Amino acid sequence: DIQMTQSPSSVSASVGDRVTITCRASQGVSDWLAWYQQKPGKAPKPLIYSASSLQSGVPSRFSGSGSGTDFTLTISSLQPEDFATYYCQQANSFPFTFGQGTRLELK
Amino acid sequence: QVRLLESGPGLVKPSETLSLTCTVSGVSISSLYWSWIRQSPGKGLEWIGYIYDTANTNYNPSLKSRVTISVNTSKNQFSLKLTSVTAADTAVYYCAMGGAPNFDYWGQGTLVTVSS
Repeated sequence: DIQMTQSPSSVSASVGDRVTITCRASQGVSDWLAWYQQKPGKAPKPLIYSASSLQSGVPSRFSGSGSGTDFTLTISSLQPEDFATYYCQQANSFPFTFGQGTRLELK
Repeated sequence: QVRLLESGPGLVKPSETLSLTCTVSGVSISSLYWSWIRQSPGKGLEWIGYIYDTANTNYNPSLKSRVTISVNTSKNQFSLKLTSVTAADTAVYYCAMGGAPNFDYWGQGTLVTVSS
């Protein structure tokens, strides 16, 4: 299985800050990489697919980049509703696997 | 608008079979990919498997011997059966549309506890 490792595991930030979360795959996944946002008690919400494509309806302050084994999710200017846990997921090979999550907390 | 809703028992006894159904609205289940994913504190998010074109399946090898995913086109539903459950199968179970490049739509999730 491809292991997905996110860093940091948690991060504290303020409204208006720029935040970057990193996801590293144990082997290359090309651009088959997705990002999700999850709030407590809710299902994950898709944000980014194919490493850098924004899901319909997702604000443009979210962006993704990378290819191969190293990927980033950037939130350009944090809004109050962005404090949540973020997951990456590879869809290059079976079984599809997720990162362990990055918790974004209010400083 | 695509909506998915999981249903099924919230409590299952050890060694028995976990059975869940996902009712889909807004799109025909006869096409596209339909997945089950679970989330537990210990293992995080885990893809269980998917079904596509109503009959083709792909399962996570870690669960393959115990999992069956099937479709009921007349009810626009798909189902999960997981046999011989243990406490390690306690999790929130989600149904979702998609697989690659991502899971586009998710159900709200349903907590299944394995306990006697």
